[in-house]
Amino acid sequence: DGGITQSPKYLFRKEGQNVTLSCEQNLNHDAMYWYRQDPGQGLRLIYYSQIVNDFQKGDIAEGYSVSREKKESFPLTVTSAQKNPTAFYLCASTNPRDRGGEKLFFGSGTQLSVL
Amino acid sequence: GIQVEQSPPDLILQEGANSTLRCNFSDSVNNLQWFHQNPWGQLINLFYIPSGTKQNGRLSATTVATERYSLLYISSSQTTDSGVYFCAVEYVNRDDKIIFGKGTRLHILP
Repeated sequence: DGGITQSPKYLFRKEGQNVTLSCEQNLNHDAMYWYRQDPGQGLRLIYYSQIVNDFQKGDIAEGYSVSREKKESFPLTVTSAQKNPTAFYLCASTNPRDRGGEKLFFGSGTQLSVL
Repeated sequence: GIQVEQSPPDLILQEGANSTLRCNFSDSVNNLQWFHQNPWGQLINLFYIPSGTKQNGRLSATTVATERYSLLYISSSQTTDSGVYFCAVEYVNRDDKIIFGKGTRLHILP
């Protein structure tokens, strides 16, 4: 089955530690996105990538980094510079050239908490 | 600035009632989608609707692009409809950046 896989489902970070959230898709989508969701809030865009080896900052990129070395993979690193990392992180993908039908697909999310 | 505004922020209804959720956007759009987030956090596509009207069972959606709003209708609400409904927009000439509203939290009482 095609889809988006995020791992781990739960992640704990110690003070000063960098952690990496995994996002893999087998939908052959060009574009991938990372969103952050805080309790009772909407989704805010962290980073997005339209094509391999290219990515752009979203609205809240500070304290995060990404890479896009393969089409299928878009890992997100939460660095020690992110002072308030506790949140639910959602990865999504789409094919911008695919007009019509369902467009944006989401993984099941990673809950990150600070120890 | 670029905005996606949803209303109402919260809605509590009795089972069987009908509801209308609204999404206002501030510029021309390539794409507009409605999502339902279930209690486990999973986001489920409801409609891809940059313009026009679509229906899927008890749910329907209408987007009036010229007036920059979209409506999601839920008829004969069930408790399983509870959750958060998000509107997401891709604006024209914004490099495929997709922006979400803050959502409408719907609670259906049995």
